[in-house]
Amino acid sequence: GQQLNQSPQSMFIQEGEDVSMNCTSSSIFNTWLWYKQDPGEGPVLLIALYKAGELTSNGRLTAQFGITRKDSFLNISASIPSDVGIYFCAGREYGGSQGNLIFGKGTKLSVKP
Amino acid sequence: EAQVTQNPRYLITVTGKKLTVTCSQNMNHEYMSWYRQDPGLGLRQIYYSMNVEVTDKGDVPEGYKVSRKEKRNFPLILESPSPNQTSLYFCASRRGADTQYFGPGTRLTVL
Repeated sequence: GQQLNQSPQSMFIQEGEDVSMNCTSSSIFNTWLWYKQDPGEGPVLLIALYKAGELTSNGRLTAQFGITRKDSFLNISASIPSDVGIYFCAGREYGGSQGNLIFGKGTKLSVKP
Repeated sequence: EAQVTQNPRYLITVTGKKLTVTCSQNMNHEYMSWYRQDPGLGLRQIYYSMNVEVTDKGDVPEGYKVSRKEKRNFPLILESPSPNQTSLYFCASRRGADTQYFGPGTRLTVL
């Protein structure tokens, strides 16, 4: 089935740095979601995007729904140690089932002390 | 408190012994899903349900069954578990296009 390409797979950053990650698909999506998963827990929704070009912020996090509708971006500004975790993009394919949410493989974020 | 609960949280079993992982949500959501999470593969959808008595296959349904007799419950059934079903399983629920809530996860080991 459809897969999402999420990059980078992992990254180490210095506390205070900005972080960027992205997700691309081979087909058009009508919803993009960004989740964070802490060790031993389920993913928690950070930001939801529903329109091409939409730019939405949640504190230090900002995500954008790409204008081609085939990509999305997540930026974290001024990273802090608690940003450590795995970030997943997810989306619903245009014309696909409302029940089917497709996930990327995740970006593992580690912060250098 | 709005939540999705799963039981058990941890389970070790042997090949071929039928098991059920329960999932319950208290938010009156129509949509419920099951995912498995494996290293390097991310989250993959097993089955989903758009309402009571309506279920459909996700990306990796082989070896699993589900049922949706009540809106709040969506159990995952492994009739004859095999070692390749060792994984971390998540149940999730949502209403329409609203945000999806995940349960805490069930770590299953099949020996």
